[in-house]
Amino acid sequence: KQEVTQIPAALSVPEGENLVLNCSFTDSAIYNLQWFRQDPGKGLTSLLLIQSSQREQTSGRLNASLDKSSGRSTLYIAASQPGDSATYLCAVMTAKTGANNLFFGTGTRLTVIP
Amino acid sequence: EAQVTQNPRYLITVTGKKLTVTCSQNMNHEYMSWYRQDPGLGLRQIYYSMNVEVTDKGDVPEGYKVSRKEKRNFPLILESPSPNQTSLYFCASSLTGGRPDAIDTGELFFGEGSRLTVL
Repeated sequence: KQEVTQIPAALSVPEGENLVLNCSFTDSAIYNLQWFRQDPGKGLTSLLLIQSSQREQTSGRLNASLDKSSGRSTLYIAASQPGDSATYLCAVMTAKTGANNLFFGTGTRLTVIP
Repeated sequence: EAQVTQNPRYLITVTGKKLTVTCSQNMNHEYMSWYRQDPGLGLRQIYYSMNVEVTDKGDVPEGYKVSRKEKRNFPLILESPSPNQTSLYFCASSLTGGRPDAIDTGELFFGEGSRLTVL
């Protein structure tokens, strides 16, 4: 069974700093990897999706990379802002017989200090 | 606007009183799924559906039922709720769920969540 781990569980940085969030997974036979943002008590907003054939995706100040062979993905946030404060979740979709499934990490809670 | 809509958003109920959480999507997605989110455990899949009349168990299906009679709707049914089902529930949909024979990125769209408390 796929296991997804996110380290650290929480991170505080001063505004303006660049930062990296880490995600690791145990089974490299993945279909895609998605990074989500979740604000307290709210739903999940998709940030970036990397398909298994891709190495990275970029959107604005966000860049996500994927290394299937080592079972790792990183989410890079440039020039962090207080509005980036949220929990960031990594999710791996794996292909299994007859259907697909999505496995989530427990998230990294990011606080950007003004 | 493309969206996944869940109702109710908040619900407090008592043990044993049957309840249904509705989920509807307007994107003509084949794949729909239910998750629960608990502190320290992250999101865990309850049930999923690859298409109309096709449903399957996820990681934590005990105590839940689902049905998929129409493509747009995927209700989650708690026949006899218990306190350990107190949680934040999310419905999600995807074009095909990343089906290998489909041209689909597998991107998942989530509803806003339904916070359920069982006393």
